Amino acid sequence: DTAVSQTPKYLVTQMGNDKSIKCEQNLGHDTMYWYKQDSKKFLKIMFSYNNKELIINETVPNRFSPKSPDKAHLNLHINSLELGDSAVYFCASSLRLGTMNTEAFFGQGTRLTVV
Amino acid sequence: DQQVKQNSPSLSVQEGRISILNCDYTNSMFDYFLWYKKYPAEGPTFLISISSIKDKNEDGRFTVFLNKSAKHLSLHIVPSQPGDSAVYFCAARLSGSARQLTFGSGTQLTVLP
Repeated sequence: DTAVSQTPKYLVTQMGNDKSIKCEQNLGHDTMYWYKQDSKKFLKIMFSYNNKELIINETVPNRFSPKSPDKAHLNLHINSLELGDSAVYFCASSLRLGTMNTEAFFGQGTRLTVV
Repeated sequence: DQQVKQNSPSLSVQEGRISILNCDYTNSMFDYFLWYKKYPAEGPTFLISISSIKDKNEDGRFTVFLNKSAKHLSLHIVPSQPGDSAVYFCAARLSGSARQLTFGSGTQLTVLP
């Protein structure tokens, strides 16, 4: 039973398209995240979100937007895709703020290729 | 400006020997450090962590050491096993942050049988 699942696993699309990546967690966590693994393999935070607060990494273009229909889901919408958006995107979740455990649980990643 | 650095992109170790993976950080406001392990085509999985108030944490074959004055932490795996072959990411959390982690670029560990 997958704790954090994201779909699709692979996504190939043309420049200029709009696409979404879905993420769901069944851990009962309050906080979810999107990370981008760039070509240099760094995992960089894009967004963190709980039901009260969205924190956006200032380097993320506004073409990227998270959408959370409920606590268990945090989808990533990307408008007007560009070649440089090609990367692996990871969704993650962690326990609510104020708890001691900090570790985040990750999905398996979505490899986005923009052609 | 990378605040968490793993300067060795790869490391090869013989099975049964010790693997030592290193990580340096620049921000003294980090208060919690974690190691994640990642297999190909999978997401990172949590391995072990350490609070900044400690200098060592051990869990089975895995031990993490923290040297705050040097802003350096290391992960020791002993004895190393072929199944340990993976990419290891060091991560750090800023105190008071919304739990988001800053990751290093990873070290590919290969344990040779």
